This record gives sequence, structure tokens and C-alpha cells, in this order.
Amino acid sequence: KQEVTQIPAALSVPEGENLVLNCSFTDSAIYNLQWFRQDPGKGLTSLLLIQSSQREQTSGRLNASLDKSSGRSTLYIAASQPGDSATYLCAVSSNTGKLIFGQGTTLQVKP
Amino acid sequence: GAGVSQSPSNKVTEKGKDVELRCDPISGHTALYWYRQSLGQGLEFLIYFQGNSAPDKSGLPSDRFSAERTGGSVSTLTIQRTQQEDSAVYLCASSLDGGRGGDTQYFGPGTRLTVL
Repeated sequence: KQEVTQIPAALSVPEGENLVLNCSFTDSAIYNLQWFRQDPGKGLTSLLLIQSSQREQTSGRLNASLDKSSGRSTLYIAASQPGDSATYLCAVSSNTGKLIFGQGTTLQVKP
Repeated sequence: GAGVSQSPSNKVTEKGKDVELRCDPISGHTALYWYRQSLGQGLEFLIYFQGNSAPDKSGLPSDRFSAERTGGSVSTLTIQRTQQEDSAVYLCASSLDGGRGGDTQYFGPGTRLTVL
């Protein structure tokens, strides 16, 4: 059974700092890995999707890496801003697109 | 609107009543997913539709839960005889083609269900 773990559960950093969020999964037979952002009381916003054959994806200040063989992914956020404060969720996909989520990392960026 | 919409946004019901939750996916998306987010369990998959068929219902927690999709578009999640443990936020997502396993899923804002 696929299990996804995110570390740390919560993180507080000063504005401008670079940071890394970690995600690990137990079964390497995934189709893709997605990082989402969730603001309080809101739905999920897709940030990055990495196909199983890819090693990384970048969007603006965000960079996500995937090491399928070791079951790990990282989300790197450069020059963090208060607007980045949210919960970040990692999810791995089966062949039907069914997502298995981690518990999330709640990020607070202090001005 | 171009996004996934869900209704109602909030639903309060009494234990034992039936509820229906609605999802309107992005036009043209053939794959539709229901998930549930609760404090104790995090985000859990419920059911996946490809067109009007549901090839994966493995996440439905009990036979009180059912879902249908008509016209390859709107989906309804029905919970019969609601229990307090059904209280959660129910999220719907759609993607262009779930069968390829690799498409981005776009989520709706969710329906917050409270069972008293």
C-alpha cells in the first residue's frame, strides 16, 4: 500500500529565506508526483507536476525534484514571501490518476 | 467560469439524513475524482470516473456512499443515513484524461459537510 510522508509538518521562516520541503513515498511505481498548495478554507492549487520519467520541474521561484528510485521528492522555494504562507501537499499518482496525499507541510513566512 | 465548481459550499445536516453533493468539472475533462479531507485522516481518495464509468471505487468508505456521473460532465456524490464521522470537506477534481495517469488535476473549492 502506497504511503506518502511529508517532513516537516510545520515550518516557520523569515521572509527572504530559501527553504526545502520534503516528501517521501513507499512504492516507486508511480506515474507522476504533484505538489499542491492549499490556503485555509480553500481548495487545492496545483503548483508542479513531475512525470515519473522526469527529474525536476521549475515554475518561477519553485523547483521540484523527483528521485523515483529512492522514493523522494523535494520542493524548493526561493526567496520566500509572506504570500507563500500556506499548506503544501505532495501527492503521487497511480495509472488512473488516483492521488495518494501526504499530510502536508504548513508554512509560515514572517515579514 | 473555467474552473471546477461544487455545490453547496456548506451543508449542515442531522444524523441519519441523506445528502447530495454536486461537482461541475472543467468542460472537456473526461476524468473526475472525489476526495475527502478530514482532520484525522488528511486527504483521501473516494472514487474516480472516466466518462460516465467508475473504474475505481476503492476509496468509498461504506455502502452508504455512492456517486454517479451523467453526460460525461456533472457528478453527484450521495451519502445516505449520514453519521457524525462523515463530517469533512468533500473535494472534487477533474483532469483532461485520467487514463494516462499523468494529467494535472484541478480541484474545486470543496463542500464542507457537518453532521450534527
